[in-house]
Amino acid sequence: AQKVTQAQTEISVVEKEDVTLDCVYETRDTTYYLFWYKQPPSGELVFLIRRNSFDEQNEISGRYSWNFQKSTSSFNFTITASQVVDSAVYFCALSTNYGGATNKLIFGTGTLLAVQP
Amino acid sequence: EAQVTQNPRYLITVTGKKLTVTCSQNMNHEYMSWYRQDPGLGLRQIYYSMNVEVTDKGDVPEGYKVSRKEKRNFPLILESPSPNQTSLYFCASSPGASNTQYFGPGTRLTVL
Repeated sequence: AQKVTQAQTEISVVEKEDVTLDCVYETRDTTYYLFWYKQPPSGELVFLIRRNSFDEQNEISGRYSWNFQKSTSSFNFTITASQVVDSAVYFCALSTNYGGATNKLIFGTGTLLAVQP
Repeated sequence: EAQVTQNPRYLITVTGKKLTVTCSQNMNHEYMSWYRQDPGLGLRQIYYSMNVEVTDKGDVPEGYKVSRKEKRNFPLILESPSPNQTSLYFCASSPGASNTQYFGPGTRLTVL
């Protein structure tokens, strides 16, 4: 089964706090890709990162960092020194070639992050 | 500017009245997909297309049709909309399977 679980439905933090959004995935494929997307209150989906299953290096981009651990099937996302503009719904997603090249992204249910000033 | 566009952005209609949501991309991408977003369910793929005249069902295709006559366009057709198709719809495109998908701005559809 292909599945993405984001157990945190909502998180509320105060500005400047660090926050980690959890993502756990399930797949039997050895080749797969993991993504994070941001959906601000305006509604569009903004791509943040793509990771393939063979690259377990953590990545940092400004205040954002991602921790990929195959041993625990997790791809967690940390925002350092959060800002009000980080308030959004964040989706973790999985893509594999299971069933053919369907180009399907399997999304988690999202985590609503509210950053209070 | 590289982008995926959708029209209309908002639509309120009545049960049974055929409608089309257009999607267009200017990145020469091979793959295009439609997703619907519902509270508590995340996004689910409706249909996808690997190239012109090649389309296939995603996870929730019932009640929808698509066509891909040109590479840049991938319209979503609801022949007889029902209230359970009230949702937020996204079109996406990518250069290949498992590549990053870039999403349009979304179409909020309400079926009364």
